This record gives sequence, C-alpha cells and structure tokens, in this order.
Amino acid sequence: DGGITQSPKYLFRKEGQNVTLSCEQNLNHDAMYWYRQDPGQGLRLIYYSQIVNDFQKGDIAEGYSVSREKKESFPLTVTSAQKNPTAFYLCASETAGAYNEQFFGPGTRLTVL
Amino acid sequence: AQKVTQAQTEISVVEKEDVTLDCVYETRDTTYYLFWYKQPPSGELVFLIRRNSFDEQNEISGRYSWNFQKSTSSFNFTITASQVVDSAVYFCALSGYRGSTLGRLYFGRGTQLTVWP
Repeated sequence: DGGITQSPKYLFRKEGQNVTLSCEQNLNHDAMYWYRQDPGQGLRLIYYSQIVNDFQKGDIAEGYSVSREKKESFPLTVTSAQKNPTAFYLCASETAGAYNEQFFGPGTRLTVL
Repeated sequence: AQKVTQAQTEISVVEKEDVTLDCVYETRDTTYYLFWYKQPPSGELVFLIRRNSFDEQNEISGRYSWNFQKSTSSFNFTITASQVVDSAVYFCALSGYRGSTLGRLYFGRGTQLTVWP
C-alpha cells in the first residue's frame, strides 16, 4: 500500500536530549512537510522540502533541524534548543501538479519529561 | 499575508442535527486553493475537499456540502443529519499556487465537533 509512515506513534524523551522523528513515503511525492500541532493551535509549519537536498524553514523552525537526502525520507530532529517540544508532529507529502493535495501520516506524539 | 480563521472552537450537536462549520480566509493571491481536513481521535488528517479560487460552485458529497463565497471570503462546511462518527476536529486550510506546485498550507485552528447519540 502506498502511504506515509511515521514512527513511532508515541515517543518519550528526557529533557535536554535530541530526538529524531521518522517520516517515510512511498508515493513518489516531490514535496514533504513537517507540522506541529498543539491543543487549540491548529497545525503550524516547521520545515518543508520541495526537492531532494533542499529544504526551507517554516513558521516555527527554531529548535528543529531536517535533512532530505532521499526523496522518500524527511526526518525531523527536535533538538535540546526547542524550549517546548512536547506536541503532536505530523508529516505530509505532496506531488507536483495542478490538482495535488497534501497527504498526511499518522503522526508522532512526542512527550519530553 | 495568508490567514484562515475558524471562529468556532467547539460545537456540540445531537445526532441527526445539521451542523455548519465556518471558515473565513484572507489572501492577496488571485489563484488559491481551499481545503477541508478531518482529524478523528486517531490523529491522522483525512482530506475531504479541495476547491480552487475560480470555481465557486457549491459541492455536495453525500451528507457533506461546501459553500464557497469569494464575496465574503468564506468556505463553509455543512454536515447534514450528523452521526456520532462525524465527531472529530475539522480544519480549513488555504494554499497559494506556485507554478506547478501548491504553496504551503495555512491552517485554521480547527473546530472540535462532538455529535451526541
């Protein structure tokens, strides 16, 4: 089945540790996105990538880093510099074209203790 | 600037009632796209509809219908004869068009819909 995989579903980390969230897609999509969701805040864009080896900051990139070495993969690292990392993280992908849409993964809920 | 406002934070209805979720947007683009997504308790966003700025026809899909009005910058979503399974958070989103790709999505804060049996 084609789709977007995010693992794990739930992730716990101690304060001060970096953590990497996985996002893989087998839809052959060019663009990939990372969003953060907090209660009552909607989704806010962290980073996005339109092509391999290129990515841009979104609205809340501070304390996060990404890489795009392969078309299928867009991992997000939450660094110790992120002041409030506990949130629900959603990855999305999108293919180029006039009638495209963003497909979302199941999300990872990160809790920093 | 792109902005989406969903003024209704929470809505509760009883099963079989009709319910309308409001969405108001702001954009300076002449070509843009509007979306509705559903987020059930499992967390994954489910795509419901996309509408481009040149198509103001209302759309109906089963119990769902959408009313797009450029004059009021609104893209409202109505569920007819609501069911308990409709309980979810619903997001309205806006995207510009950048050549062959959509621009990034701008989301509203979402409306939590609870349908009671």
